[in-house]
Amino acid sequence: DQQVKQNSPSLSVQEGRISILNCDYTNSMFDYFLWYKKYPAEGPTFLISISSIKDKNEDGRFTVFLNKSAKHLSLHIVPSQPGDSAVYFCAAIGSGYALNFGKGTSLLVTP
Amino acid sequence: DAGITQSPRYKITETGRQVTLMCHQTWSHSYMFWYRQDLGHGLRLIYYSAAADITDKGEVPDGYVVSRSKTENFPLTLESATRSQTSVYFCASRFGFDTEAFFGQGTRLTVV
Repeated sequence: DQQVKQNSPSLSVQEGRISILNCDYTNSMFDYFLWYKKYPAEGPTFLISISSIKDKNEDGRFTVFLNKSAKHLSLHIVPSQPGDSAVYFCAAIGSGYALNFGKGTSLLVTP
Repeated sequence: DAGITQSPRYKITETGRQVTLMCHQTWSHSYMFWYRQDLGHGLRLIYYSAAADITDKGEVPDGYVVSRSKTENFPLTLESATRSQTSVYFCASRFGFDTEAFFGQGTRLTVV
């Protein structure tokens, strides 16, 4: 059963606007969350992470928000750029040490 | 070169053949992982390892075998390849808890 869910397979945003990618999880033991970005024919690359003791982490144009009570996190990209077009994966780590991934959201940023 | 490398990048094999995908990392990370990426499924964990000689099954281990005799290497073997194992395979490693994982470039495997 999928413990990390990304319910939007795709998202299209205009350049300069905000992109919001969402992720839900079911396992309350998850305590570390990550976002990865993936271009075609490349491996996923780490983007940003957040520990469960925080509710926000920011890195340049990227901000991740965590709502533990709702078991929900989101990635905000402001402003969006065409080079941000990629598949974004949400991942979570709990008592084990493996990353549990969602199915990904394909983001398209149009000029 | 520093980092995590996978070989081969592309492989075509026949049904029933044994094939091994290689993964090598230069950081001496304790944890290593194999994932497969399929349309509609995202990244699914096949096997993982906490250290040399310690391995565990992930979500989709059937038909795969792993070994980890050295910290830096984590080969994945398909003992008798099937068409359902056609996929893109990613190896990853991480240092410890609350750290990100680094991924290789992937191996695109086609079983015909």
